[in-house]
Amino acid sequence: GAVVSQHPSRVICKSGTSVKIECRSLDFQATTMFWYRQFPKQSLMLMATSNEGSKATYEQGVEKDKFLINHASLTLSTLTVTSAHPEDSSFYICSARWGLRNTEAFFGQGTRLTVV
Amino acid sequence: GDSVTQMEGPVTLSEEAFLTINCTYTATGYPSLFWYVQYPGEGLQLLLKATKADDKGSNKGFEATYRKETTSFHLEKGSVQVSDSAVYFCALRTNFGNEKLTFGTGTRLTIIP
Repeated sequence: GAVVSQHPSRVICKSGTSVKIECRSLDFQATTMFWYRQFPKQSLMLMATSNEGSKATYEQGVEKDKFLINHASLTLSTLTVTSAHPEDSSFYICSARWGLRNTEAFFGQGTRLTVV
Repeated sequence: GDSVTQMEGPVTLSEEAFLTINCTYTATGYPSLFWYVQYPGEGLQLLLKATKADDKGSNKGFEATYRKETTSFHLEKGSVQVSDSAVYFCALRTNFGNEKLTFGTGTRLTIIP
């Protein structure tokens, strides 16, 4: 299958700082990327959907000013957690797909964010 | 709204044992159903899928049948191996709108030799 690389895999930051997570599709052009968040022992919750060159569509309850998503190219999307707080500590996962509807989405390995 | 309920783990089995991980769903219309697997240190990978009622998805010895009458998509394997140790996620995707995936909580499976 296609490869989606997420970086970093782990990050620890101080409360009040911002953290950027990258998601790259290595061998295909990702027209759509998805960002998920997973709390311990809970489901992956979709945060937002982004299409290349367009503004991201956020799910209800997700603060767009706090979780900034940029999908400036067909191979890269970034999630920036701004002014991070301990409650933002979580596992963040991206996925990417190309083309028309019903195509398979490929997942990154996830980023463990810890805010201290 | 859409939801997926799957067996809570962790599940520990001996090698060559029979595996069932239960998954039931609630959805509007007729969703597509998926099982994803996450091996340690890796991203989620699609294991199998079914797009309509009575379809059976299969891969690597795993099977799951889309049962509309019981709204279920249970994952089974006849004889598990140590290499099957991973976290398994059941998911559904609506076939309209933004087609987002709705996941279950995941079931951690450990196979002991």
